[in-house]
Amino acid sequence: ELKVEQNPLFLSMQEGKNYTIYCNYSTTSDRLYWYRQDPGKSLESLFVLLSNGAVKQEGRLMASLDTKARLSTLHITAAVHDLSATYFCAVDPYNFNKFYFGSGTKLNVKP
Amino acid sequence: DVKVTQSSRYLVKRTGEKVFLECVQDMDHENMFWYRQDPGLGLRLIYFSYDVKMKEKGDIPEGYSVSREKKERFSLILESASTNQTSMYLCASSLQDTEAFFGQGTRLTVV
Repeated sequence: ELKVEQNPLFLSMQEGKNYTIYCNYSTTSDRLYWYRQDPGKSLESLFVLLSNGAVKQEGRLMASLDTKARLSTLHITAAVHDLSATYFCAVDPYNFNKFYFGSGTKLNVKP
Repeated sequence: DVKVTQSSRYLVKRTGEKVFLECVQDMDHENMFWYRQDPGLGLRLIYFSYDVKMKEKGDIPEGYSVSREKKERFSLILESASTNQTSMYLCASSLQDTEAFFGQGTRLTVV
């Protein structure tokens, strides 16, 4: 059974601090996606990582992919309150556009 | 911008009713998906479709069926709604090898 595990599931941090969210998955996948969900809203695509060693950055968020370790990280630099949301990773292990999601990491950035 | 539109934001239905959830996308995407989202469980794939009239079961298809008569429209059908189908339902679409774009979600309550 394919598993996609995120940790931590909940993260409370102060503004200005750095932190990393981890996404582990149990089967080979060259593709990994990160999404953001605000309360009561739908999912918004953040990053698409399509190969081993891929790194993408947007503002205070940076995502990376290590396909050999089956691990992706989402690094937050100098967090601000606006980053408070739930973050999901998803893999497409069979390259069939069939996405498997982690449980999500609920991030709360305190002012 | 890609737009994925779900017909209802909120629905309340009675146990045993037949329920239709409609989803329309305007970007000519081949792939369409139905997920349900429950606290602590992330997103779970119910059904997906990679072409008109084509469908494949996801991880939790029991109690659901789907219809895709036109490329832009993907319907989820609850044949006989039950209380354990109370959930947030998310529709998504994608091209091959790209991320999924999500609708705003339908919060279904079965009483």
